[in-house]
Amino acid sequence: AQSVSQHNHHVILSEAASLELGCNYSYGGTVNLFWYVQYPGQHLQLLLKYFSEDPLVKGIKGFEAEFIKSKFSFNLRKPSVQWSDTAEYFCAVRVTGGFKTIFGAGTRLFVKA
Amino acid sequence: NAGVMQNPRHLVRRRGQEARLRCSPMKGHSHVYWYRQLPEEGLKFMVYLQKENIIDESGMPKERFSAEFPKEGPSILRIQQVVRGDSAAYFCASSGDRVGELFFGSGTQLSVL
Repeated sequence: AQSVSQHNHHVILSEAASLELGCNYSYGGTVNLFWYVQYPGQHLQLLLKYFSEDPLVKGIKGFEAEFIKSKFSFNLRKPSVQWSDTAEYFCAVRVTGGFKTIFGAGTRLFVKA
Repeated sequence: NAGVMQNPRHLVRRRGQEARLRCSPMKGHSHVYWYRQLPEEGLKFMVYLQKENIIDESGMPKERFSAEFPKEGPSILRIQQVVRGDSAAYFCASSGDRVGELFFGSGTQLSVL
C-alpha cells in the first residue's frame, strides 16, 4: 500500500528564513505528487502538483518542489518565508491512473514576524 | 464561485445516535472523496464515489459507516450508532475528473459526547 511520510510535524521559522519541508512516499511505480496547504480557518487548497513533467515544479506564492525519483522524495521549498505562510502543509501522492490520493500527516509551520 | 459545500460545520451527537454529513461538490464535478482527520494523523482516505456509484470504499470501516452520492442532491456520509472514537473532522473533496486536483470543503467537526 502506498504511504506518505512527512518528517517534521512542527516547524518554527523567522520571517525571511528559508524553508524546506521533507516528504517521502512509498510506491515503486509512476505517481502524481501534490502539496496542499491549509491556512488558519480555511479549507485545504492546492499549492503545487507534479504530473511527470519537469521534476522541479513551481507553485503559488513562491513555493516550489523537486521530485527526486531515486529518493522517492518531493520536498517543498521556499527561499524566504513570510508571516502569512503560517499554515499546515500536506504532501500527497496518487498512483498514476489510480483513484485515491494518500496524504501525509501534515507539517505545521509557524512563521514569527 | 461556489466551492465544495459541507454542512453542518459542527455536529454534536451522543453515543448511539446517528450522524449525517452532507457534501455538495463543485458545480460540474462528479467525483467525490471523503476523508477523516484526527489530530496529528493527517487526512485518512475513506471512500471515493461517482454519481450513484461507490468506486473505492477501502478506507471506510465495515460497520456503522456508509456513503452515497445520489443522482440528485449532495453526497451523504452516514455514521450509525456513533461512538466517542468517531469524533474527528470529516472532509469532503471533489474533482472534475479521476486524475484532477482535489477541491476541499471546510469540513464537518463531529463531536460525540
